[in-house]
Amino acid sequence: GNSVTQMEGPVTLSEEAFLTINCTYTATGYPSLFWYVQYPGEGLQLLLKATKADDKGSNKGFEATYRKETTSFHLEKGSVQVSDSAVYFCAPKTSYDKVIFGPGTSLSVIP
Amino acid sequence: DAGVIQSPRHEVTEMGQEVTLRCKPISGHNSLFWYRQTMMRGLELLIYFNNNVPIDDSGMPEDRFSAKMPNASFSTLKIQPSEPRDSAVYFCASSFDQGTEPQHFGDGTRLSIL
Repeated sequence: GNSVTQMEGPVTLSEEAFLTINCTYTATGYPSLFWYVQYPGEGLQLLLKATKADDKGSNKGFEATYRKETTSFHLEKGSVQVSDSAVYFCAPKTSYDKVIFGPGTSLSVIP
Repeated sequence: DAGVIQSPRHEVTEMGQEVTLRCKPISGHNSLFWYRQTMMRGLELLIYFNNNVPIDDSGMPEDRFSAKMPNASFSTLKIQPSEPRDSAVYFCASSFDQGTEPQHFGDGTRLSIL
């Protein structure tokens, strides 16, 4: 069946460190791929998306590239800030309306 | 533009009471989703509607839970009777039913059953 695997957290980084959160998925068809972010006490917000192979989604310094051959969509940021502390969800959209959310990866950035 | 609006933001009630959570999706969206989030189980899809019709309710925990969408601009999730294990944050989300369109989430209802 359709599924998402994310690296387990929590991840703790110092400010200005490089961030990678791995995500791989199994899905039928050709999914669109999303990363969502959830700040404390808030709902999930779309961070970035990619809709076809080799597309790169980017927003707020975060990037992720749609790798069809490895079914991956790893999230990266070159220099994290304290304000990036949140939970990050990888989410392929495997049908016309249903999104599969990963378990989430908690990120804490310390000054 | 107004996002997905949920009410109430917080609800504290005693076990056995009826609880009703409300959601107003983004205007023009034709899919609506109810999720539950807990530390133990993460984010779980409870039910989703397309064009006001329930499509998949396999995530609804048991008969105590019910959801309705009487029109395109309003949905409710009801728990009757409530139990302490229902304590969680409940999110509503909406989207267009197109393959590349993301879901948009409300801020959630934090429910505590005593």
